[in-house]
Amino acid sequence: SQELEQSPQSLIVQEGKNLTINCTSSKTLYGLYWYKQKYGEGLIFLMMLQKGGEEKSHEKITAKLDEKKQQSSLHITASQPSHAGIYLCGADIQGNQFYFGTGTSLTVIP
Amino acid sequence: DVKVTQSSRYLVKRTGEKVFLECVQDMDHENMFWYRQDPGLGLRLIYFSYDVKMKEKGDIPEGYSVSREKKERFSLILESASTNQTSMYLCASRGGVTNQPQHFGDGTRLSIL
Repeated sequence: SQELEQSPQSLIVQEGKNLTINCTSSKTLYGLYWYKQKYGEGLIFLMMLQKGGEEKSHEKITAKLDEKKQQSSLHITASQPSHAGIYLCGADIQGNQFYFGTGTSLTVIP
Repeated sequence: DVKVTQSSRYLVKRTGEKVFLECVQDMDHENMFWYRQDPGLGLRLIYFSYDVKMKEKGDIPEGYSVSREKKERFSLILESASTNQTSMYLCASRGGVTNQPQHFGDGTRLSIL
């Protein structure tokens, strides 16, 4: 979806390294959702952000929504092979529409 | 926890067959969705439903229809399957309250031969 730009498209990191995935919109994000998808499986809901400046963490994954509510980042600390998969952002954007980003494919090399 | 169950993980059908993909959710969610996912194209919305017997076309409804006779069940129908409908199909449900995540099933990998 062009409403939500995700970067990078793919990422290959060495185990133990930190990484960041970004999700950007030109419009206000009223609800921002991060998902993880293992190859060939369904999407697993990770976290939801609603307020400008909000930050949430789950284990080694931290997600933030900027103050203007137009960009979110997903940060993984000390990556592990279990973090590998496709990460997608989804958002409620003004006009009561829901969009998904195109996804970021993460490979973690042991 | 929300549970969204898709009837099959893998399905192989022949061109011209009528194909049914079933999805059931256990959280009394008003909204249900069908997507297909293809490499390089991301998730594309086929149809969604915001209530029993209600349906709305998504971005790519051609060649598909849907049925929602009960709140918990949303079916996707390929009227006459074609090879370009080979894809990963994902069902999702979402509560009616503002700003809720969509919850997904495990997906059905459909191959049309």
